[in-house]
Amino acid sequence: NAGVTQTPKFQVLKTGQSMTLQCAQDMNHNSMYWYRQDPGMGLRLIYYSASEGTTDKGEVPNGYNVSRLNKREFSLRLESAAPSQTSVYFCASSEFEGLGGETQYFGPGTRLLVL
Amino acid sequence: ILNVEQSPQSLHVQEGDSTNFTCSFPSSNFYALHWYRWETAKSPEALFVMTLNGDEKKKGRISATLNTKEGYSYLYIKGSQPEDSATYLCAFEVDSSYKLIFGSGTRLLVRP
Repeated sequence: NAGVTQTPKFQVLKTGQSMTLQCAQDMNHNSMYWYRQDPGMGLRLIYYSASEGTTDKGEVPNGYNVSRLNKREFSLRLESAAPSQTSVYFCASSEFEGLGGETQYFGPGTRLLVL
Repeated sequence: ILNVEQSPQSLHVQEGDSTNFTCSFPSSNFYALHWYRWETAKSPEALFVMTLNGDEKKKGRISATLNTKEGYSYLYIKGSQPEDSATYLCAFEVDSSYKLIFGSGTRLLVRP
């Protein structure tokens, strides 16, 4: 099992460009999440998807959109990148049986630099 | 605003030393407290999920305790090894919402 995979690993964008970060999991998990990690700060939730067909905003959703393409895949889109979106982006998944207290499994991260 | 604080921010210890760090979180709306280990250039890896006041969890040389009434958790590493060098993250889960609020981590460096 590959677990949670993310592409690309690293990307440089110019201000105003758009891009989509891809995430896939092969653990048959119901829930998926996108976080960003900035120096000196904890991981912050951008968007999450409790189950296929649903998405909800997290703590810092502005400037992002998401698509839960199917049970395996959850993508994050930056429509018009800004330097403030320079960060490391992590995708995660969890089984979600509605009970809470579940472990989240993280991908390797995508480093994004917006010039 | 829910805030999770971790201390210290960084810690340098000698191989063989035992060490501990703290995670402080809101005592209201508590559902679970998660600990993760994050090595540079790798994915954060789950260590423990704790839900009950007084919970103690152990995995090898690493253990954790939980006090939900006062809003803190301790992570202990006994006999630190260089391979324990990593950032240790804690995360507070609100109301079984599966939304995690992370602290900024404690960076541990173990010198051989």
